[in-house]
Amino acid sequence: GAVVSQHPSRVICKSGTSVKIECRSLDFQATTMFWYRQFPKQSLMLMATSNEGSKATYEQGVEKDKFLINHASLTLSTLTVTSAHPEDSSFYICSASIAYLLNTEAFFGQGTRLTVV
Amino acid sequence: GESVGLHLPTLSVQEGDNSIINCAYSNSASDYFIWYKQESGKGPQFIIDIRSNMDKRQGQRVTVLLNKTVKHLSLQIAATQPGDSAVYFCAENGGGGFKTIFGAGTRLFVKA
Repeated sequence: GAVVSQHPSRVICKSGTSVKIECRSLDFQATTMFWYRQFPKQSLMLMATSNEGSKATYEQGVEKDKFLINHASLTLSTLTVTSAHPEDSSFYICSASIAYLLNTEAFFGQGTRLTVV
Repeated sequence: GESVGLHLPTLSVQEGDNSIINCAYSNSASDYFIWYKQESGKGPQFIIDIRSNMDKRQGQRVTVLLNKTVKHLSLQIAATQPGDSAVYFCAENGGGGFKTIFGAGTRLFVKA
């Protein structure tokens, strides 16, 4: 199956700083990538849809100025958590779909565990 | 709003028994459903999918059943093994076919 790589797998940052998470599709092109957040013992909550070459589409309640998304190429999307606070500590997961196939499985990265201290 | 949910938050089964994990969805327009397995600290792993023009699909040791009349989805795991212990999510593709929305999840414990 297609491979999505996420980096870093773990990051600890100080409160008030920003942290960038990368999501790469390694063997396919992804015009659309998705960013999820998962708190302990909860489901994955979709934060935003990242579109190559255009602005991201954010889900209701997600602050676009706090969670900056850039999708500069067909294989890379980045999520930047700006001015991070302890409540932003979570498991962030990206996924990507093969561009030309509708209604197919999404391929997920291995996730990034963010801890804000 | 649209949502996909689960009846049981946890399920404990004996090794070798069959497991059944259930899921209810609310968007009758959904036409593609997926089951994912998530192990601790990892991203979701695809198990099996089904399209709305089918009511059953079988994979290796897994079967997904879809009942569109009552908007219900189930995952059956045959001869459950300790390696099957994980959280299982049902999900639907919405928003034009690309956006995957997850249900609440069921944690499966397999007792040796």
